[in-house]
Amino acid sequence: DTAVSQTPKYLVTQMGNDKSIKCEQNLGHDTMYWYKQDSKKFLKIMFSYNNKELIINETVPNRFSPKSPDKAHLNLHINSLELGDSAVYFCASSPRGGARDTEAFFGQGTRLTVV
Amino acid sequence: EDKVVQSPLSLVVHEGDTVTLNCSYEVTNFRSLLWYKQEKKAPTFLFMLTSSGIEKKSGRLSSILDKKELFSILNITATQTGDSAIYLCAVEFWADGLTFGKGTHLIIQP
Repeated sequence: DTAVSQTPKYLVTQMGNDKSIKCEQNLGHDTMYWYKQDSKKFLKIMFSYNNKELIINETVPNRFSPKSPDKAHLNLHINSLELGDSAVYFCASSPRGGARDTEAFFGQGTRLTVV
Repeated sequence: EDKVVQSPLSLVVHEGDTVTLNCSYEVTNFRSLLWYKQEKKAPTFLFMLTSSGIEKKSGRLSSILDKKELFSILNITATQTGDSAIYLCAVEFWADGLTFGKGTHLIIQP
């Protein structure tokens, strides 16, 4: 009964392709996030959705587009993949949005490799 | 069953106190252990530990890993109200991604 699940776990694809990463949470949380982990292990927020509504959109290329069909799902679609997109992407959810010290539950990550 | 277990789940102390946060994990192709401080927008990376017994320090924070007993501790000395946060432990397992613990909610009272 995984709380936050991401698929796929690994994704190897060629430059220029379009790919999607799916995220689902069964915790009943209102807020979901996408983070990118860089090579130094820093986690950078990309997007945050609260009840299917976009509330945080950091400086991310337009090629990245989040889609939230319902509050339990937040998918990340990436167009025209570039080498620099290679990273580990994490999905997370929390019961409240925007508050400091909010508890967050993370997926196991999707390791994207662009060749 | 949880692969990464943090304790305590919450902790309230006074400013100036020293705190120790714990993180234990199961053995399954261990690669590294990471500590993060949950900030408003994104967790702030604190430490990455791969070798047993080598302490990593950053200001008032320090951390050490025990690969024999399968745990790590995060120490914070002379705590300040700005240290109040959720501290996350995450373990990298080979071929299995990163597994986060549930976090320790630390509250520092003035």
